[in-house]
Amino acid sequence: AQKVTQAQTEISVVEKEDVTLDCVYETRDTTYYLFWYKQPPSGELVFLIRRNSFDEQNEISGRYSWNFQKSTSSFNFTITASQVVDSAVYFCALSGYMIYNQGGKLIFGQGTELSVKP
Amino acid sequence: SQTIHQWPATLVQPVGSPLSLECTVEGTSNPNLYWYRQAAGRGLQLLFYSVGIGQISSEVPQNLSASRPQDRQFILSSKKLLLSDSGFYLCAWSGGPSAGPQHFGDGTRLSIL
Repeated sequence: AQKVTQAQTEISVVEKEDVTLDCVYETRDTTYYLFWYKQPPSGELVFLIRRNSFDEQNEISGRYSWNFQKSTSSFNFTITASQVVDSAVYFCALSGYMIYNQGGKLIFGQGTELSVKP
Repeated sequence: SQTIHQWPATLVQPVGSPLSLECTVEGTSNPNLYWYRQAAGRGLQLLFYSVGIGQISSEVPQNLSASRPQDRQFILSSKKLLLSDSGFYLCAWSGGPSAGPQHFGDGTRLSIL
C-alpha cells in the first residue's frame, strides 16, 4: 500500500522565519514520484515540484528547497525567509511507478496549514 | 499552453437533487483526467480517473458517477445528492501515461442543504 504522512497539521511562524514542512511516505515501488502542491485560500492546487525516486539531489527554487532522503522515506519542504503570501495549505503526494499504467494517480497526505504572520 | 476549466465555481443544491459538474481541458490531447473531493478536513480523496474516452475507473463506491464523453471533457454526476456529498470538488489533468504532474482546476464548492 502507498501512504503519505504529513504529521504537522498546522504551523504558525512570523514573517522572515524559515519553516520546514515534513513529509514521510510509504511505498513498495522502487520507482516512484513525489510531489508538493500549494493550496492558497482561494482553493486551487498549485503544482510546486515533482521528484523522481532515482534523483536524490536536493532542489532549490528561490526561497523554496526540498530535501529528498530515501533512507528515511522523507521529502521535506523548506521555505526560507517566509512571507505572508506563503500562507496556504501544503500537500505532499506520491505516485508509484507500478500504478502509472492506471493513470498516474496521486496519493495525498492530509496537508499542513502554514500561517505566516506579519 | 494547456488550461483546465471547471464550472460552476459554487453550487448550492438541496438533498435529493441531481448534480452535474463539468471539466474541460484545452491545449492537449488524450489527457488523463481526475475528479477529487476535498472535505472540510482538508484531505484530498480521488473519486474517479479516466485514461481515455469512455474509460472511467472508480476509486470510492458512492452515489456519484463520472463520464468522459469527449477526449477533453470530464463530467461528475449524481442522480440524488446526499448531505455527505458537500465539499470542494477538484478536476485535474495530466499528460498521459506518466506520473504527473497533475494540474488542477479552480474547483467547485458544493453545499448540500
